[in-house]
Amino acid sequence: EVQLVESGGGLVQPGGSLRLSCAASGFTFSSYWMSWVRQAPGKGLEWVANIKQDGSEKYYVDSVKGRFTISRDNAKNSLYLQMNSLRAEDTAVYYCARDRVRQDAFDIWGQGTMVTVSS
Amino acid sequence: DIQMTQSPSSVSASVGDRVTITCRASQGISSWLAWYQQKPGKAPKLLIYAASSLQSGVPSRFSGSGSGTDFTLTISSLQPEDFATYYCQQANSFPHTFGQGTKLEIK
Repeated sequence: EVQLVESGGGLVQPGGSLRLSCAASGFTFSSYWMSWVRQAPGKGLEWVANIKQDGSEKYYVDSVKGRFTISRDNAKNSLYLQMNSLRAEDTAVYYCARDRVRQDAFDIWGQGTMVTVSS
Repeated sequence: DIQMTQSPSSVSASVGDRVTITCRASQGISSWLAWYQQKPGKAPKLLIYAASSLQSGVPSRFSGSGSGTDFTLTISSLQPEDFATYYCQQANSFPHTFGQGTKLEIK
């Protein structure tokens, strides 16, 4: 079964750090671009970042540039999001998602992990 | 950044109705548009990619059309399981922006 499972969410104080992980199974992880998408409570979806199959290209939404780092370990079939200098507005459910081969949509999503930034 | 605007923001309909949701891009995106369905507490589910291609396993009552800046998602005959929130998303350029969502409610 094709599956993505996120972990690492939790409560963190403003200015703190957190590292999210996403474990992939059921497909050849190294063949796909991968993305992080977030959703603040009661709000819509926001694409956060994505990474090329070999990690050589990475893109970020402006609001997280310089604070978040996306990475991957193809040997471990895992995707990561290192989040530093966290702000209250980063509070959201974070989903990892697989990009279709043409990068025209996200066809597989994890269940999400909640990140709460609050003092 | 490309802005995606959906209308309406919410719609009430009955089982069996035909419903159309529109999505407008702030600049041309060719056919680089996807539609997702999201139910409360669940991850989004891909319905349509490349503006009009039906994702595997999605019922044929869902269809998409459009190109350039104007797109539509149509549900031909609403079923009880279709009541959810729907999002469009452009994949023409980074950041891959989403519309604000359309909540489809039972009348």
